[in-house]
Amino acid sequence: GQQVMQIPQYQHVQEGEDFTTYCNSSTTLSNIQWYKQRPGGHPVFLIQLVKSGEVKKQKRLTFQFGEAKKNSSLHITATQTTDVGTYFCAGPQYGNKLVFGAGTILRVKS
Amino acid sequence: DTAVSQTPKYLVTQMGNDKSIKCEQNLGHDTMYWYKQDSKKFLKIMFSYNNKELIINETVPNRFSPKSPDKAHLNLHINSLELGDSAVYFCASSPRVNLAGGSNEQFFGPGTRLTVL
Repeated sequence: GQQVMQIPQYQHVQEGEDFTTYCNSSTTLSNIQWYKQRPGGHPVFLIQLVKSGEVKKQKRLTFQFGEAKKNSSLHITATQTTDVGTYFCAGPQYGNKLVFGAGTILRVKS
Repeated sequence: DTAVSQTPKYLVTQMGNDKSIKCEQNLGHDTMYWYKQDSKKFLKIMFSYNNKELIINETVPNRFSPKSPDKAHLNLHINSLELGDSAVYFCASSPRVNLAGGSNEQFFGPGTRLTVL
């Protein structure tokens, strides 16, 4: 079945450093979603990318969807302590079923 | 004014017991889900209902039985609890099933932390 792989598993950065998490799918995706889960919280939708090569920005967050629509990345510029949490990518399989990546846990040292 | 709510927030119980978790959404969504998140944060879908009809049933032991009395509610009953059932269970909802293979944003509840002793 479809697999969505995400790396790295953990990332510890100094506040102000940049952070990137990468997502790769074993199959072509019609779209990809990104979610953020704060420690002790629940996943919260960040964004959906649909078009090949699409790039979207939300303040310090930049999301990219690969040309082949099999990979995606989330880049955070100048991390802040409020960025801590687990970032998940998720790709649709059928219907509204989402297959989630394993997540990247981000810790920010101030 | 919670969009997706779950009860209880915490559940501690003994092996072999039967327990239920309730979920309600006030977003008017057609589709609801149950996810299990293990200690390594891996998020795996268990079930999905669209308008009270079961549409996704992953490889889940039949000790787990979802029930959707109406499209705003999706409950999860677990029989004969085992140690491996300890996890955080999230309910979620989304606007509609997109049969063309696309997907819609999912709204998650706060989670129920289940601990089986």
